[in-house]
Amino acid sequence: DQQVKQNSPSLSVQEGRISILNCDYTNSMFDYFLWYKKYPAEGPTFLISISSIKDKNEDGRFTVFLNKSAKHLSLHIVPSQPGDSAVYFCAASGLNNNNDMRFGAGTRLTVKP
Amino acid sequence: NAGVMQNPRHLVRRRGQEARLRCSPMKGHSHVYWYRQLPEEGLKFMVYLQKENIIDESGMPKERFSAEFPKEGPSILRIQQVVRGDSAAYFCASSQGPGQFFGPGTRLTVL
Repeated sequence: DQQVKQNSPSLSVQEGRISILNCDYTNSMFDYFLWYKKYPAEGPTFLISISSIKDKNEDGRFTVFLNKSAKHLSLHIVPSQPGDSAVYFCAASGLNNNNDMRFGAGTRLTVKP
Repeated sequence: NAGVMQNPRHLVRRRGQEARLRCSPMKGHSHVYWYRQLPEEGLKFMVYLQKENIIDESGMPKERFSAEFPKEGPSILRIQQVVRGDSAAYFCASSQGPGQFFGPGTRLTVL
């Protein structure tokens, strides 16, 4: 039962343009959402999060948008840089139930110079 | 403040041997999670532990796999009688509040 889905396994973007990574979830009990970035041979590193009381959270070049009615969130990276090339995982959990975090399958982003 | 530490980073075992993976959470974190990532797949939850207690092991195979988080020392994920299908990257994460912080992973290869 995949409660968090990332339907695009890969995305290729030109340097300087916007990267948009998408994520859908099915469990309406989720109220905390995170994006992790993973380089090869390393563990995932936390990138940005958003709670369900917000619809947008911005941190530098990274912005996460949450559409609760559509159960959809997206990560925007602008401008994209070659160093952003990595696998991005979307995750969702209950704010007070951290052990129930579920991850998407990941999207491999390639930013071309 | 050291992050989550895992060792070994790489582990090679022959079929039928035992694999022991260790995880030291971030300082002050009392919640530990183990995940497995198979090739070309996402992170799959295995088990959630607090000190001396298994809270949720719903993602862990019923046979051959076990986990512990003793009062002192690291959390251990133990795989007995490994098979080739156990080859994967195993990640540990810790938390003390919303969000989890991951270690670098242990890549297990079963020959």
